[in-house]
Amino acid sequence: NAGVTQTPKFQVLKTGQSMTLQCAQDMNHNSMYWYRQDPGMGLRLIYYSASEGTTDKGEVPNGYNVSRLNKREFSLRLESAAPSQTSVYFCASSLWTDVPGGYTFGSGTRLTVV
Amino acid sequence: QQPVQSPQAVILREGEDAVINCSSSKALYSVHWYRQKHGEAPVFLMILLKGGEQMRHEKISASFNEKKQQSSLYLTASQLSYSGTYFCGTLRAGAGSYQLTFGKGTKLSVIP
Repeated sequence: NAGVTQTPKFQVLKTGQSMTLQCAQDMNHNSMYWYRQDPGMGLRLIYYSASEGTTDKGEVPNGYNVSRLNKREFSLRLESAAPSQTSVYFCASSLWTDVPGGYTFGSGTRLTVV
Repeated sequence: QQPVQSPQAVILREGEDAVINCSSSKALYSVHWYRQKHGEAPVFLMILLKGGEQMRHEKISASFNEKKQQSSLYLTASQLSYSGTYFCGTLRAGAGSYQLTFGKGTKLSVIP
């Protein structure tokens, strides 16, 4: 049981380059999320997908786009990377029924933009 | 709006107890607690719902005071394995809200 799988684990980009972070879960969760984590800032929500076919902005969406490809996969795209996007990115998923379920996080992607 | 956690950091000796608080200025529907060890992903500990009971995970328990919009995490007889950063995540009351907002974290260090 893999849980939430993120790729890649590490990435270095030059300013202006683009890339897509991949995330897949095998727990049949309906909701998926992308967070970024910066020192002293905690986890901040970038985008989320409450269910397949829907996506919504979180707290810090500028400079990012997402795609909920199917129930399992939720990708995050940086169209033109900036040094301010240097961070650790976590994908998470959860099962929402009448009540919110606990989040399962992927192992993270450490992104450096130079 | 980001919940406020206190203290920001705490050092304990094995066997000591600690309390971590998480407060919000908004009406809350639920509170999550997570633990993150250095270089790893956050791990879910427990969830507290409005009107629900106190929850427990091993020797860690938590409560949710709806009137104060505050949750407290109680670590009893701490073990070395409890070291890490603890995050609360709050879900605001209101239909259709799926945004879990995390606090900045409380770094807990347990020493022998």
